[in-house]
Amino acid sequence: LAKTTQPISMDSYEGQEVNITCSHNNIATNDYITWYQQFPSQGPRFIIQGYKTKVTNEVASLFIPADRKSSTLSLPRVSLSDTAVYYCLVGSLSGNTPLVFGKGTRLSVIA
Amino acid sequence: GAGVSQSPSNKVTEKGKDVELRCDPISGHTALYWYRQSLGQGLEFLIYFQGNSAPDKSGLPSDRFSAERTGGSVSTLTIQRTQQEDSAVYLCASRVEGRNTGELFFGEGSRLTVL
Repeated sequence: LAKTTQPISMDSYEGQEVNITCSHNNIATNDYITWYQQFPSQGPRFIIQGYKTKVTNEVASLFIPADRKSSTLSLPRVSLSDTAVYYCLVGSLSGNTPLVFGKGTRLSVIA
Repeated sequence: GAGVSQSPSNKVTEKGKDVELRCDPISGHTALYWYRQSLGQGLEFLIYFQGNSAPDKSGLPSDRFSAERTGGSVSTLTIQRTQQEDSAVYLCASRVEGRNTGELFFGEGSRLTVL
């Protein structure tokens, strides 16, 4: 199983861009990189997923270098409502191994 | 239903009693996961069901924990002889394997408090 390492916590002011990097040195060829967001008292929810290079959707961008040993979630112009825990998850879409979450990054957005 | 449904949402029990937690995955989702989240902590993998294959039980913390999935749909997580350290939120998630996103859909969780 590809193990992930993220910073435990980050602080940011409103309106700033936030970049959270995840290390996954032993990522497998078939593994995708997925990021989830979790608010207190809720289950995690999907933010973005990628395999290589860059992926962008309406809420975030995901940057993956060529060696795929790390990935960076970029949140543009964060607001107070982006305060949450962000998890990086590495795993196969074929599902022959369980999906194991890391400890996540607790992002605090300050006014 | 539209999403993953879990019940009960809250359960308070006495130490030593057995509890059952239920998960109704999204219809058609072939994979089902159980996770445990203690207060302020990350998600701890417990067990994983994929289609008709034998479940991956590698995350179950002790033999007091068991789970089954009937008819490839509803799953029940059973904790026997509960202990205070079992107090946590138990989250269920489902997904369709092999699709181009593999997104996990989580329920709201079952909060277990063992007195």
